[in-house]
Amino acid sequence: GAVVSQHPSRVICKSGTSVKIECRSLDFQATTMFWYRQFPKQSLMLMATSNEGSKATYEQGVEKDKFLINHASLTLSTLTVTSAHPEDSSFYICSAADIGRGIGYEQYFGPGTRLTVT
Amino acid sequence: ILNVEQSPQSLHVQEGDSTNFTCSFPSSNFYALHWYRWETAKSPEALFVMTLNGDEKKKGRISATLNTKEGYSYLYIKGSQPEDSATYLCALQADRGSTLGRLYFGRGTQLTVWP
Repeated sequence: GAVVSQHPSRVICKSGTSVKIECRSLDFQATTMFWYRQFPKQSLMLMATSNEGSKATYEQGVEKDKFLINHASLTLSTLTVTSAHPEDSSFYICSAADIGRGIGYEQYFGPGTRLTVT
Repeated sequence: ILNVEQSPQSLHVQEGDSTNFTCSFPSSNFYALHWYRWETAKSPEALFVMTLNGDEKKKGRISATLNTKEGYSYLYIKGSQPEDSATYLCALQADRGSTLGRLYFGRGTQLTVWP
């Protein structure tokens, strides 16, 4: 299967600082990348969808000015949590897909990033 | 938000036991159903993508069935092994809409297989 990397795997930052998380598709070109967040004992919840070269589409309730997403190439998307606060502490995970495959295409996930804001 | 339910939440079995768990979803919005296996500290691994009512898919000792009319899918593991221990996620891919490819995940079933 296709490989997606995500860095860092774990980050601790102080309240008010910004954190950037990278998501890379290593062996395929990802036309679309998805960013999910998971709180303890909850399901993965989609935050936003990004298509290469265009603005991300954010899910209802997700602040686009706080969670900046850039998908500058077919292999890299970044999520920047700006002015992080303790309530942003969560598990963030990305996935990548080649939408051109059509019905039932797979999404390939990175291993996730555990963000702790102190 | 579409509600995807998985049961049981957790499951403990002995090595060699066969097991199954359920994913239920709203049938009216169905486009595809995805199953993932997620081991701790690793990336979720895609197991199956199912699109047609009555689909049955198999990968080694793991198989899955799909009923889109009643809105459920079963995942079966035959002769469980300790290495099968993981969280199994199902995700509904809803009708093509404004967010193509959007997945709605269940909370997962955490399987522990004891040697």
